[in-house]
Amino acid sequence: DAKTTQPTSMDCAEGRAANLPCNHSTISGNEYVYWYRQIHSQGPQYIIHGLKNNETNEMASLIITEDRKSSTLILPHATLRDTAVYYCIVRPISGGSYIPTFGRGTSLIVHP
Amino acid sequence: EAGVAQSPRYKIIEKRQSVAFWCNPISGHATLYWYQQILGQGPKLLIQFQNNGVVDDSQLPKDRFSAERLKGVDSTLKIQPAKLEDSAVYLCASSFPQGASDYEQYFGPGTRLTVT
Repeated sequence: DAKTTQPTSMDCAEGRAANLPCNHSTISGNEYVYWYRQIHSQGPQYIIHGLKNNETNEMASLIITEDRKSSTLILPHATLRDTAVYYCIVRPISGGSYIPTFGRGTSLIVHP
Repeated sequence: EAGVAQSPRYKIIEKRQSVAFWCNPISGHATLYWYQQILGQGPKLLIQFQNNGVVDDSQLPKDRFSAERLKGVDSTLKIQPAKLEDSAVYLCASSFPQGASDYEQYFGPGTRLTVT
């Protein structure tokens, strides 16, 4: 079972910020939050990950709440090419047996 | 840097036939994953290799699915015999632990299998 919950779908106007939430209330202290996205007919693509602090890269920003029970992926200026399914997953820092588990993700539609 | 390569991209077979998929991970990536993605669902891990050893295959239907990575590089996934419910996209991914903590997976484009 996925350890995260995400809304099934969202939509956003082109040029506006897209804020995609993820709930991971059972996350443990040694688990990262990772975000991937999957554009239609392609394999998933890594976006960003974080542990405690907020993170930013050329694709997106990741805001993690202080209690680490939820996070938000922010696409600051969404474009039509950002239309995709976005997956939030948690995984341990290191060691042990880990089975990457993707839920159904959030289908983001960016409209003109 | 070349990405993860998979072939074929599409395959249509009849039930009870056999099929094989091939994956070439990114050079130097020690870990290789095979996922099954049924339409409308997220990818489901089938098997994970570390070099040429199996790390986890608990979700692989071993009565019909098999996978190997003999030289720790390329990998093949086989289904024999196929069932209608095996219709899905089969994704291969690889990763290279960059340290003791974090690493990301790089996915190939997938093979879309249709079983009729």
